[in-house]
Amino acid sequence: QQQVKQSPQSLIVQKGGISIINCAYENTAFDYFPWYQQFPGKGPALLIAIRPDVSEKKEGRFTISFNKSAKQFSLHIMDSQPGDSATYFCAASKPGSNYQLIWGAGTKLIIKP
Amino acid sequence: EAQVTQNPRYLITVTGKKLTVTCSQNMNHEYMSWYRQDPGLGLRQIYYSMNVEVTDKGDVPEGYKVSRKEKRNFPLILESPSPNQTSLYFCASTGQGPLTNTEAFFGQGTRLTVV
Repeated sequence: QQQVKQSPQSLIVQKGGISIINCAYENTAFDYFPWYQQFPGKGPALLIAIRPDVSEKKEGRFTISFNKSAKQFSLHIMDSQPGDSATYFCAASKPGSNYQLIWGAGTKLIIKP
Repeated sequence: EAQVTQNPRYLITVTGKKLTVTCSQNMNHEYMSWYRQDPGLGLRQIYYSMNVEVTDKGDVPEGYKVSRKEKRNFPLILESPSPNQTSLYFCASTGQGPLTNTEAFFGQGTRLTVV
């Protein structure tokens, strides 16, 4: 119930295409769903986050789509660029968890020029 | 500037030689954690701490120790390292972020090789 399942494990997208990474969760107590971006040799850093009271959040070319009934959320990267090549992690947390994040397994994204 | 500082960045050691990886944060966060990252396995939590003198096991605690004597510091100790502990290690400090109410700040990582 604590797990967050992320897919695919790896993804190759042509420059200019749309990259889509999916996450699913079981615990309906989760109320915060961030995505982190990690470049080689660096620690992950917060990219974008959403709460379940909205179905979509957009920041530039990055969009989170949230489906509460299906307990799924996804990251869409529009007009994907080679500089977006990184590992992406989804995560979830619930109230009263003292900021503990439950992590997905990560997706290695490669954008081909 | 919000910062998590890990040292060293790179470390090569021999089997059985005790080592400590330091981690320090300047955000006054209560929650800190250690992860190891291996190809295809994502971030696996080793230990976490919810406050000073409060630590608990994560998913892969075997072979590791931690301590939390001060709020800002959370060192990771390998008392007798073995080759299967060769990995990339991250310390993270989680709490109130500038844009959200839960944000994890990661250190730059420590690449450990045990020979």
